[in-house]
Parts: sequence; structure tokens; C-alpha cells
Amino acid sequence: AQKITQTQPGMFVQEKEAVTLDCTYDTSDPSYGLFWYKQPSSGEMIFLIYQGSYDQQNATEGRYSLNFQKARKSANLVISASQLGDSAMYFCAMREDSNYQLIWGAGTKLIIKP
Amino acid sequence: ETGVTQSPTHLIKTRGQQVTLRCSSQSGHNTVSWYQQALGQGPQFIFQYYREEENGRGNFPPRFSGLQFPNYSSELNVNALELDDSALYLCASSLADLGTLAEAFFGQGTRLTVV
Repeated sequence: AQKITQTQPGMFVQEKEAVTLDCTYDTSDPSYGLFWYKQPSSGEMIFLIYQGSYDQQNATEGRYSLNFQKARKSANLVISASQLGDSAMYFCAMREDSNYQLIWGAGTKLIIKP
Repeated sequence: ETGVTQSPTHLIKTRGQQVTLRCSSQSGHNTVSWYQQALGQGPQFIFQYYREEENGRGNFPPRFSGLQFPNYSSELNVNALELDDSALYLCASSLADLGTLAEAFFGQGTRLTVV
């Protein structure tokens, strides 16, 4: 069964608009962390934002925020005021407390249009 | 830019050969994990080393093996290469003790092509 689901294979967004990238997850572990990474064409995975399962507040990092809805098991990434440099693949990942590996979604290819 | 460096950046090998990929982790990080990312897919966990011991392994055959050295740098070895081993191999380092969750910082990857 898929543990991380990203339903948007690709998205086109106009520059300066906000964009939401969807991520749903499945786990029975009460303690887990959710991560978002950006992967430009160069290949390097760039850490964007982290949300712990016990965190009461939604995580924010600059233009990135995570819309964490625990009951719905969703952890959507919101990018405000998109820029051309935001064009990349975006991956949602999860690490369960009982298992150290990062489990990844299939990714969303985001293209920002000028 | 993270402090994780991988070498080489690109590599072409012939089916049946052996390959060693290297990773220098970020200063102070004691955990290294390796991932295989096939074209158009998300990464798949290969294994993780914590203080020189393997403490987690994904669904990869024994011909994928690794090492972590006292300075926490790491190697990934793949024997008897197959065409399907062609992928981007990512190394990630983090500062973690057992039971804690911490973000992982990745290197730029090694792109392996098996012909």
C-alpha cells in the first residue's frame, strides 16, 4: 500500500501566485515526521520544511508553509508568491519513529510561468 | 548548499561490473543513508548507517552493501551491476540518535548508468 501519495504529477502556476502541492500519507505509528524536499534538474534534494506529528502549529519557513491536517492525514505544501526559481520537482516524504527510512511520494513537477 | 558531497557525480559502468560510490557527510552528522532514485520516480531507501553500524535496510539485494567510517563518511558498493541499477544515487546525512526524527541533508547525487 502507498504510504505517501502525491496526486498531482504536474502543475503549471503563474509567477507570483500561491500554489498548493498535495500530499496524503498513511501510517499507524503515532510518532512520525513529514518532510518536503525540492529537487531541481541538477538532482540535489533540498530540504524545505518539516512537520512533526505532535506539533500543534503548522510549520512555516519563509515562503513555505505546511498545511497539516492530522485527522485527514494530509500535509500539503503551500508556496506563497511563487518565483521562476521555484520550478522543480517537489517530494513529500515521511519518517516513522519505528523506522528510520524516509518514505517518499512520486513527486509533483511544478512549472512557474512568467 | 549543504555540506554533503558525493563522488563521482557521473559514472558509466558495464553490466556485471562493480562500483563504489562515496559520500562525505555534513560535519557533526553521525547518520548516513543511501537512496536510489530511478528516472521519474521518488527515491527508494537502500540502507542507513548510524555510528558505523547498519541500522536499517530497504528492499535491496545483498549485492548492495555499504560502509561507514569513523569520520562518518560512507561508501555504497554495488556488485554484479544490472541494467536496472541505472539511477541517481543519493546520500543523506543527519544528526540523529535512536528514536529521534531529524531532517536529512542530501548531496548532489551520483548518476550511474549501466550499459
